[in-house]
Amino acid sequence: NAGVTQTPKFRILKIGQSMTLQCTQDMNHNYMYWYRQDPGMGLKLIYYSVGAGITDKGEVPNGYNVSRSTTEDFPLRLELAAPSQTSVYFCASTLSGSYTEAFFGQGTRLTVV
Amino acid sequence: GIQVEQSPPDLILQEGANSTLRCNFSDSVNNLQWFHQNPWGQLINLFYIPSGTKQNGRLSATTVATERYSLLYISSSQTTDSGVYFCAVDRGSYIPTFGRGTSLIVHP
Repeated sequence: NAGVTQTPKFRILKIGQSMTLQCTQDMNHNYMYWYRQDPGMGLKLIYYSVGAGITDKGEVPNGYNVSRSTTEDFPLRLELAAPSQTSVYFCASTLSGSYTEAFFGQGTRLTVV
Repeated sequence: GIQVEQSPPDLILQEGANSTLRCNFSDSVNNLQWFHQNPWGQLINLFYIPSGTKQNGRLSATTVATERYSLLYISSSQTTDSGVYFCAVDRGSYIPTFGRGTSLIVHP
């Protein structure tokens, strides 16, 4: 099915561990985004990319890294997990960046203990 | 940066009731979108509406850009309308700002 696929859906990490959240889209979208959603809050932008090889920081980039080697994939890396990174993470993509046709993945619920 | 405020924060309705959700923003915007997050966490686009009025079935939205607000109307609410409704805006920077959302519960 066409859309944005995130893996894993759930993960528990210990403090200091590392992991990569995977995001893949098959719609040939140029723009891709990573958000985190904390309880009772809206989505906050971590990183975004306007095309392969181009990434930029969003509102809350500290503690995260991204790469965009292909149009389809936009993985999010947590190097040294901290309890403050416990959140739900969403990946999104749009064709033009104007949010007229934004598609979201189903989310990854991450708990750092 | 731009501030986005949504009201009310919580709303409980009986099935069949109508409701209006509001999104206020602190500066002029190029883009505005309404999303629905269902109880399973999935985010669904509802409307892209930087200005004017749009309707889709029982839902409609109006944005008055000059007065910096947008309204989402839900008529004849159903239990499947439950979830959180987000408003997101940006000023053409491709970095949208989300409001905190309105949590809606519709009882049968």
